[in-house]
Amino acid sequence: RKEVEQDPGPFNVPEGATVAFNCTYSNSASQSFFWYRQDCRKEPKLLMSVYSSGNEDGRFTAQLNRASQYISLLIRDSKLSDSATYLCVVNMNNNDMRFGAGTRLTVKP
Amino acid sequence: IAGITQAPTSQILAAGRRMTLRCTQDMRHNAMYWYRQDLGLGLRLIHYSNTAGTTGKGEVPDGYSVSRANTDDFPLTLASAVPSQTSVYFCASSLGGGAPYEQYFGPGTRLTVT
Repeated sequence: RKEVEQDPGPFNVPEGATVAFNCTYSNSASQSFFWYRQDCRKEPKLLMSVYSSGNEDGRFTAQLNRASQYISLLIRDSKLSDSATYLCVVNMNNNDMRFGAGTRLTVKP
Repeated sequence: IAGITQAPTSQILAAGRRMTLRCTQDMRHNAMYWYRQDLGLGLRLIHYSNTAGTTGKGEVPDGYSVSRANTDDFPLTLASAVPSQTSVYFCASSLGGGAPYEQYFGPGTRLTVT
């Protein structure tokens, strides 16, 4: 089993739709969690950190469920510019950052 | 320089040749990292350095070596390249090592080993 698993998609949604991604992780001792965004042939960039209490940044909401060992990302009112690959990242132990393979999202007009 | 730079942008390399990928950051970050990204596998950590003068092994260190002589530079060396090292290589840095610091990535180096 991979340490961090994501549904690879692709998710194809119309503009304005709400879309959710889940990510599961295997190490219950994992310390911190992130969502990164990666555009085609570009470097990953931090989208948001995921806090235990859940957190929201505009149209984006991230949640953590430690009991079930998953994190989620919800995107509301999808924009064309949201089209990208979303990477789930789990810091398992200090420098042991594990990346999921990514979930590809395409938002269509 | 602003952020992290990597060189070269891309390279085609014959198997058995030695190659050093360069990475420089100007943010005075303590920690630096090298990842490789392969289709369907996501990013995998090769080596990291929490501070100048120290390095550590990541998830896939075999066939690679690193050095951290100063804060700004973190070169990655392939002593004798093999085709399985064909990948996109990303260098990253963060203010400190590990949680909860954000990592900033360079633009990547596309390496093809023939």
